Amino acid sequence: RKEVEQDPGPFNVPEGATVAFNCTYSNSASQSFFWYRQDCRKEPKLLMSVYSSGNEDGRFTAQLNRASQYISLLIRDSKLSDSATYLCGAGDSGGYQKVTFGTGTKLQVIP
Amino acid sequence: ETGVTQSPTHLIKTRGQQVTLRCSSQSGHNTVSWYQQALGQGPQFIFQYYREEENGRGNFPPRFSGLQFPNYSSELNVNALELDDSALYLCASSTAGHSTGELFFGEGSRLTVL
Repeated sequence: RKEVEQDPGPFNVPEGATVAFNCTYSNSASQSFFWYRQDCRKEPKLLMSVYSSGNEDGRFTAQLNRASQYISLLIRDSKLSDSATYLCGAGDSGGYQKVTFGTGTKLQVIP
Repeated sequence: ETGVTQSPTHLIKTRGQQVTLRCSSQSGHNTVSWYQQALGQGPQFIFQYYREEENGRGNFPPRFSGLQFPNYSSELNVNALELDDSALYLCASSTAGHSTGELFFGEGSRLTVL
């Protein structure tokens, strides 16, 4: 079983739609969680960190469920520019900053 | 722009050769991590350098090695290249003590092994 699992998609959604991605992690000792965005053939860029209380940044909302070991990302009012791959990451609890990533979920927003 | 620069951006090698990839970290960042991203996969942690020493390693063989220099820049060396080493190699800089996982990636070095 992979440490971090995501549905690879693709998720094809119309502009303006709301879309949600889930990600599960197997290491219960993971302390920090993240969503990264990666455009085609580009480097990943941090979209948002995920806190226990949940957090929101404009149209994006991230939530963490430690009991079920999953995190989610909700995108409201999808824009064409949201088309990308969204990587879920779990930070290691060890003494160094290792992040285990899922394979990513591809989102295509359609006009 | 993250301020993390990598070189070269693209390179082609043949099986058995050796390669060195370079990374300059963002100003103020003292930790460098290297990740390998195969096509269609998420980045996989290779190792991390802090204070010029390896500070954590993923599931990669010893032919993957690295260095960190006093100015925090870093190199990734891969010996005896195999076809499966073809991937995007990403360098990420961060600051020790800051939230784990808030990584700033460079644009990557795309390696093709023939």
